[in-house]
Amino acid sequence: DARVTQTPRHKVTEMGQEVTMRCQPILGHNTVFWYRQTMMQGLELLAYFRNRAPLDDSGMPKDRFSAEMPDATLATLKIQPSEPRDSAVYFCASGFGQPFPGKENSYEQYFGPGTRLTVT
Amino acid sequence: AQTVTQSQPEMSVQEAETVTLSCTYDTSESNYYLFWYKQPPSRQMILVIRQEAYKQQNATENRFSVNFQKAAKSFSLKISDSQLGDTAMYFCAFMLYSGGGADGLTFGKGTHLIIQP
Repeated sequence: DARVTQTPRHKVTEMGQEVTMRCQPILGHNTVFWYRQTMMQGLELLAYFRNRAPLDDSGMPKDRFSAEMPDATLATLKIQPSEPRDSAVYFCASGFGQPFPGKENSYEQYFGPGTRLTVT
Repeated sequence: AQTVTQSQPEMSVQEAETVTLSCTYDTSESNYYLFWYKQPPSRQMILVIRQEAYKQQNATENRFSVNFQKAAKSFSLKISDSQLGDTAMYFCAFMLYSGGGADGLTFGKGTHLIIQP
């Protein structure tokens, strides 16, 4: 049963510290998305990659956030320095990113369990 | 930019009843997909149902069906024979598609559905 995995599942850190969240997409998926969920803003798209190339990071605060895909099996989201307002659940999702003939669900996104980040 | 609106922050129904969750969206694009996701207390995002905009036929998945009104930009979710396990947050989501592939999802604020025993 292929799944998106995220580590850590929970992270508590102090303001000013660096935070790195990791995501392992489903093997074979070429598109990886990062979302953030807060009570105030709901679910927001932060950034996404296709074939490891960044396509859109307009939802991400540029001064402190960075997203990378060092290889096809790992995506990272880094916050430096972290602030209390960054407290949220961060989801990674992966998919094929485009329909394939004969594959009805090829454009679906499969979500990881999320990383709950608390910055004190 | 695309927007998704869910006008019902919370709904509560009795077990076995039918419930409809509303969703409207705004876009000037023609190639897109619509989704309903379920998020139980575990926080896991679970895809409930999907609808391709170019398809006129409404999607159905067992007890879940949608009423897709493209001209009105409306995409409601109907849950028949509701069960206690349906209690969750439900999010309506919109995704653009172009020749280069699919974009990220734009979500509504969600509807908290409570199924009462």
